[in-house]
This record gives sequence, C-alpha cells and structure tokens, in this order.
Amino acid sequence: DQQVKQNSPSLSVQEGRISILNCDYTNSMFDYFLWYKKYPAEGPTFLISISSIKDKNEDGRFTVFLNKSAKHLSLHIVPSQPGDSAVYFCAASGGSNYKLTFGKGTLLTVNP
Amino acid sequence: KAGVTQTPRYLIKTRGQQVTLSCSPISGHRSVSWYQQTPGQGLQFLFEYFSETQRNKGNFPGRFSGRQFSNSRSEMNVSTLELGDSALYLCASNPGGRTEAFFGQGTRLTVV
Repeated sequence: DQQVKQNSPSLSVQEGRISILNCDYTNSMFDYFLWYKKYPAEGPTFLISISSIKDKNEDGRFTVFLNKSAKHLSLHIVPSQPGDSAVYFCAASGGSNYKLTFGKGTLLTVNP
Repeated sequence: KAGVTQTPRYLIKTRGQQVTLSCSPISGHRSVSWYQQTPGQGLQFLFEYFSETQRNKGNFPGRFSGRQFSNSRSEMNVSTLELGDSALYLCASNPGGRTEAFFGQGTRLTVV
C-alpha cells in the first residue's frame, strides 16, 4: 500500500524553465511534508519542507505547494539549472510516528 | 558542523553471514533513523531510535536489528544475510522532533 505516490518516474525540462514535480498522498494523518534531492550512490539532501498548517513555502528557487483537500503537493523549481538534474523524493510524516514515508522518486533532467 | 557519517561506505558479504553498519549523527541530534533503498522498493523505513530507545519500527523481518548508544551513535545489524538484502542503507538524524532529517552518504551492501 503506497501511501506516498510520485506518478511521474521522469521529467525533462529546458534550462531556465520551470520544473514542476508532483506528489500525492493517501494517509490523512500526514501533517509534515518534505522534498529531498538525491544523486546516485549518495544520501538524499533535504531541500524544503512544509507543515500542513501552510499551503506554500518558498526557499530561493524552490517552492512547495500543499493542497490538503486534494492530498497533493508539488515542488516548483524556477529557473531550472543543469545542476538540478537528480532524483527528487517526496516524503511525509504524521501522527505520533516520526518515520518518513517516501515516494519512489522522479528523475529530473535539466537540459542545457 | 560535521554531517551524518556512515561506515563503511561499501561492503561485500556472503549469504548467511551477518553485518553491522555504523552511523554517527550530527552533533546534538538525538534521533537516528535507518532506511533501505533498493531499485524496486525505493526508500523504506527500517527503524528509528531516540535516546537509546527504539521509537518506531518498519515492516522488516527480525533479522534486521539496531541499537543506539548514549552518545547517539547507532548501529544496525543484519543477520543471516540473503541476496535480497543487497541495497543502499541510509542513516538519517534529526534533533528529535518533527523536523527535517539529514542523511548520511549510505553504506552500499552487496550480498553474494
């Protein structure tokens, strides 16, 4: 039972354009959401998070939007750069459980 | 501030053997979590320790165990290794509350 889903295994965008990565969740107990970036053979690097009391959080080129009624969040990267090419994971936690539940990731390729 | 350190980085073991992986969290972080990453299953939660106590446990067999020491360093052990245990094992630390987790580089375990 996949509680966090990233339905697009891959995404390709042109340098300078916007990248939009999507994530859906099913567990209503989730109240904290995070995005991580991962290069092969390395650990995930934290990018940005959002609490369920907010619907938007921004940090530089990265913005996360949360739509609680749709159980959907998205990560916007503007402008996209070739160095952004990596696998992006959406993660969630909630309730009394501090574990992170991850989606299966989206491979973002930013073409020069 | 030093990041999360995992040792060793790479390990090759034979089926039936056991293995111990080590994780040193960021200084001041009291929570340590372990995750398994495989191509088919993505990132899956193994367990989380806080102040030397296992606080959460994922759906893994009893062959997977862990512990945390008084200095917050953690070890995980896998006994009776199977080919399917080949994976990247990631350790993450956070101060202990609902905040982002910071990951180490991982230990790549290959079971032959």
